[in-house]
Amino acid sequence: ETGVTQTPRHLVMGMTNKKSLKCEQHLGHNAMYWYKQSAKKPLELMFVYNFKEQTENNSVPSRFSPECPNSSHLFLHLHTLQPEDSALYLCASSSDPANYGYTFGSGTRLTVV
Amino acid sequence: DQQVKQNSPSLSVQEGRISILNCDYTNSMFDYFLWYKKYPAEGPTFLISISSIKDKNEDGRFTVFLNKSAKHLSLHIVPSQPGDSAVYFCAASAGGGSQGNLIFGKGTKLSVKP
Repeated sequence: ETGVTQTPRHLVMGMTNKKSLKCEQHLGHNAMYWYKQSAKKPLELMFVYNFKEQTENNSVPSRFSPECPNSSHLFLHLHTLQPEDSALYLCASSSDPANYGYTFGSGTRLTVV
Repeated sequence: DQQVKQNSPSLSVQEGRISILNCDYTNSMFDYFLWYKKYPAEGPTFLISISSIKDKNEDGRFTVFLNKSAKHLSLHIVPSQPGDSAVYFCAASAGGGSQGNLIFGKGTKLSVKP
């Protein structure tokens, strides 16, 4: 257990479904991130939140909607996804990424059918 | 355009020998570099980092070398152990503190044979 908890670990959803991914950290970090890992591609930054404020949206389609109600919780709301959105979605948190890196959760393996 | 490149998707090494994982970058604004290790079904874990003011950082069996003129860094693991078998990601950041978002490479899968 890294201190960053993601639920669910696995999710299968249809293209018309609405679901949410949850991330929680109690490490006292002020920044939280969503990354997408697809096969044979680099980890792709999706969203960044610093002190609950979104500081980066890396040209992510609107079918992905993040929410950060407080510094410890981060959600990714999903609706009308496509099969190509199937991937491992990783949440991370940090206070000083350059010196101490990110602390990642175990990820949610998403399959869109 | 990939800013952080790991051109070797896989590497196989005998136990006890040295593993050398390579990473190239294109953005001259990057000033911090990190290596992450990822086992299947787990998130990546931070391994070692180096600032651009250094050319070497060592932590136990792991050493990272930075060649700024070549925009190249490498991770050396010696001696390699079967438990080191994992995917290794190189990451870079332009700017420290909480603003230093990380850009990752595609990863290199290391297999250490007993």
